[in-house]
Amino acid sequence: QEQVVESGGGLVKPGGSLRLSCAASGFTFSDYYMSWIRQVPGKGLEWVSYISGSGNSIKYVDDVKGRFTISRDNAKNSLYLQMNSLRADDTAVYYCAGGLGWDLPLDYWGQGTLVTVSS
Amino acid sequence: NFMLTQPHSVSESPGKTVTISCARSSGNIASNYVHWYQQRPGSSPTTVIYEDDQRPSGVPDRFSGSIDSSSNSASLTISGLKTEDEADYYCQSSDNSSQLFGGGTKLTVL
Repeated sequence: QEQVVESGGGLVKPGGSLRLSCAASGFTFSDYYMSWIRQVPGKGLEWVSYISGSGNSIKYVDDVKGRFTISRDNAKNSLYLQMNSLRADDTAVYYCAGGLGWDLPLDYWGQGTLVTVSS
Repeated sequence: NFMLTQPHSVSESPGKTVTISCARSSGNIASNYVHWYQQRPGSSPTTVIYEDDQRPSGVPDRFSGSIDSSSNSASLTISGLKTEDEADYYCQSSDNSSQLFGGGTKLTVL
């Protein structure tokens, strides 16, 4: 059964760093492009970043460029998001999600991990 | 960049039909696929329509999708509404550099 599980969320002070992880199973991870999507509780979905199956293509929403870094380890079926210089408005539930292509739907979603940026 | 605009909320009675729109602000709606996700409270999103008008296996045929180039928008239509359809619905599309979700529409079935 296909599964995606995020971890690494928590409380961090403004300006701090956090690394999110996402463990995938039940599907051929390297075939899937992976994205991070965040959702402020009670608000809508916001796409944050994408990485292709090979890792050769990476994109970010403008708001996180230069602060967040997406990466993947296909040998470990894992996706990561290194978040630096965190701000209060980065507070959200962060979802890991995968699809078969840039223009294709996100087939697999995790349950999300909450990141809270507060002093 | 572009925006996807959805109505904040819609409501309808059980058994009726509701349509949720998703208007693209710039760029051709037909140039990139539109996908629709359902998110129930406390749950992760799931796909109800992909590639404009395709329905994943397991999604009832009460759900349908379409795009309209004249209005540069996409639509999700749910017929024969059931109370279990009550949820938030998001459209999603992309361009060469970014992916974008609509703001979401809260569907109330009452």
